[in-house]
Amino acid sequence: QSVLTQPPSVSGAPGQRVTISCTGSSSNIGAGYDVHWYQQLPGTAPKLLIYGNSNRPSGVPDRFSGSKSGTSASLAISGLQAEDEADYYCQSYDSSLSGSVFGGGTKLTVL
Amino acid sequence: EVQLVESGGGLVQPGGSLRLSCAASGFTFSSYWMSWVRQAPGKGLEWVANIKQDGSEKYYVDSVKGRFTISRDNAKNSVYLQMNSLRAEDTAVYYCARDRLGGLDVWGQGTTVTVSS
Repeated sequence: QSVLTQPPSVSGAPGQRVTISCTGSSSNIGAGYDVHWYQQLPGTAPKLLIYGNSNRPSGVPDRFSGSKSGTSASLAISGLQAEDEADYYCQSYDSSLSGSVFGGGTKLTVL
Repeated sequence: EVQLVESGGGLVQPGGSLRLSCAASGFTFSSYWMSWVRQAPGKGLEWVANIKQDGSEKYYVDSVKGRFTISRDNAKNSVYLQMNSLRAEDTAVYYCARDRLGGLDVWGQGTTVTVSS
C-alpha cells in the first residue's frame, strides 16, 4: 500500500474533464508539504506535470491543473485528448519517513 | 540541452552488487539535489534515495537502508547509486532525477536492474 492513495483508474471521453485524487495524511500533504504530479506515457520516463501543488512547468498545456486542500490533492485534466492516455502519479514529502513518497498511480483511459 | 543519462544496470545474482551512474549535462549540477527513483515491472514509482548539493545530506527509503549508498561527484557532474546485497525485489528500472524544490523536473531514460539467479 502506498502512503499516498490514488484511484487505480479513471476514464473519460474526448473533450471531457476528469479529476484524479491523491489522499495523504498529517505527516505528508496535511503537514503542508507540496504535492507534485507526473505523467508517464507507456514505455517512457515520467514527466513533471504539476509542481508545488498547482504550478505548470513551461510547455505543459493549461488543460492540466492541480489543487490541494487539507490532506488531499487533485489533478484535473480538461478537454481530454487521446494523447492524455497515460499513468499519473502524485508525490509529496513525508516527515515520518524522512523522504519522498509517491501515490500508487492512476491509469487514465480516453474512451 | 538539459539531460540525465543513466548507466550500469544489468543482470546480477541475489546477494550481488551493482553500481549505477547518472551523468548530467546542460545545467549547473552542483546546484541541485539529486534523486534515484525506481519502478518494478508493471508497478508504480518508488523514491529510493536523494542527496544534497554538496553531498552532506543523504536520505533513503527504508527498504534499501544499509544496502544502498547514494553519492555524487560534482567535478564529474555525476550521481551514483551503489547497490549491495541485492534482492529479487530490487528488480526495476532505476531513474535518476533532478530535484527542484521537491519536484523532480528532469529525468533520465532509466537503466534496468534484474536480480535473478
